[in-house]
Amino acid sequence: EAQVTQNPRYLITVTGKKLTVTCSQNMNHEYMSWYRQDPGLGLRQIYYSMNVEVTDKGDVPEGYKVSRKEKRNFPLILESPSPNQTSLYFCASSLNPRNIQYFGAGTRLSVL
Amino acid sequence: GENVEQHPSTLSVQEGDSAVIKCTYSDSASNYFPWYKQELGKRPQLIIDIRSNVGEKKDQRIAVTLNKTAKHFSLHITETQPEDSAVYFCAASTSADGLTFGKGTHLIIQP
Repeated sequence: EAQVTQNPRYLITVTGKKLTVTCSQNMNHEYMSWYRQDPGLGLRQIYYSMNVEVTDKGDVPEGYKVSRKEKRNFPLILESPSPNQTSLYFCASSLNPRNIQYFGAGTRLSVL
Repeated sequence: GENVEQHPSTLSVQEGDSAVIKCTYSDSASNYFPWYKQELGKRPQLIIDIRSNVGEKKDQRIAVTLNKTAKHFSLHITETQPEDSAVYFCAASTSADGLTFGKGTHLIIQP
C-alpha cells in the first residue's frame, strides 16, 4: 500500500529538548516536504527536498533542520524546541511539486 | 516567494446550493494549482488540480477555473452535500519551488 508514514503521531516535550519526527514514503518519490498547520494560518511549508541531498527552506524554516540521506526518508529535527513550535506537522511526498502530494497522518507536537 | 490569498475564510451554504472559493497568487511563474480537502482530524487530500495551460477543469460536482492574466483561480462545488463539509486549501507552485498554500476555507453545509 502506497503511504507516507510519520512518527510519532503525538509528542509532548519540554523547551530545549532535541527531538526528531520521522517521515518515510514507499512510493519512490523524489519530492518531499514538511508543513506545519496552525489555526487560521493554513499549511505553511517548513522545508522541502527535490531529491537526495537536496534540501531548501520553505516559508518558516527557523528553528528546524532536515536531512535527506535516502530517498525514502526525510526527518524533521528540532534542535532546541520552543513553545511557539507547538503545532500540527505534516510530511508529504510526490513525484515533484507539480504533482499530487500524499500527506502523512500528522504529528501533533506540544512544547511546554 | 509565492503568496497565495484565499477567500472567504468561512463559507456557509444550504445543502444543494453551490459553493465558490477564490484564490489569488503573486508569482506569474506559478503553473500548477491544486485544491486539497481536509476533513476534521484527517490529513489533506487532493480533490482537483489545474495546470497553467488549461482554463477550466471539471470532475463531477467539482470544477476549477484559472485566469492567468488576473492571477486568480477558483473552486466551484455544485449540489453541495453534507460530506462536502471540510476545510479546503488552494495552493500554487512553480516548476522549481515548493508548494505554497492559502490559509484555508472552512465550508459548512447547512441541512
